[in-house]
Amino acid sequence: AQSVTQPDIHITVSEGASLELRCNYSYGATPYLFWYVQSPGQGLQLLLKYFSGDTLVQGIKGFEAEFKRSQSSFNLRKPSVHWSDAAEYFCAVGLNQAGTALIFGKGTTLSVSS
Amino acid sequence: DTAVSQTPKYLVTQMGNDKSIKCEQNLGHDTMYWYKQDSKKFLKIMFSYNNKELIINETVPNRFSPKSPDKAHLNLHINSLELGDSAVYFCASNLWTENSPLHFGNGTRLTVT
Repeated sequence: AQSVTQPDIHITVSEGASLELRCNYSYGATPYLFWYVQSPGQGLQLLLKYFSGDTLVQGIKGFEAEFKRSQSSFNLRKPSVHWSDAAEYFCAVGLNQAGTALIFGKGTTLSVSS
Repeated sequence: DTAVSQTPKYLVTQMGNDKSIKCEQNLGHDTMYWYKQDSKKFLKIMFSYNNKELIINETVPNRFSPKSPDKAHLNLHINSLELGDSAVYFCASNLWTENSPLHFGNGTRLTVT
C-alpha cells in the first residue's frame, strides 16, 4: 500500500538560510508526488508536483523538489527561507492511477527564526 | 469567487447531535473529496466522489455519510457525534485525470463537547 513518511516533525531555520524537508514514499509503481503548504487557519496550497520526466521540479514561492527513485525520496528545498515560509508542509503520493486522490504524510512544521 | 467553499467555518456541538458540513466548488471539477485533519495535523482521506459516484470510501464510521447532489457539491453528514470526531474537515476537488492538483477549501473546524 502507498504510504508517505516525513521524518521531521518540526524544523527551525534561520531567515535567509537554506531549507530541506524530507519525504520518503512507498509505492509499487512510478509515483505521483506532491508537496503542499498549509498556513495557519487555511486550506492547503499546492507547491509543486512530480509525475514524470525531469526529476528536479520547480514550484511556486521559490521551492523545488528532487525525485530520487533509488532512495524513494522527494525532498523539498529552498535556497533562502523567508519568514513568511513558516507553515506546515505536507508531502503526498497519489492514491489512484491518475495520481489525483492523495494520501499525505504527517507533515513538517517549519518555524523561521530571525 | 472562492473556488472551493465550505460552510460553516466553525461548528461547535454536543455529543450525540447530528450535523452537516457543506462544500461547493465552482471550478468545473468532476471529483470531490473529504479529508479529516486531526489535532496532530494528520490529513486522512475519507471519501471521494467522481461525477456523483462514490469512488473512495476509506475506513470511516458509518455515522459519516457523504452526499453529492451534483458534481459541484459534496456534503458531509455526521450522526451521533462523538468527542473523537473533533477535527478540521477539508473539502477538496479536482479533475479525475492526470496532472490535476487538488484544490482545497479552508476547512471546517468541528468541536464536539
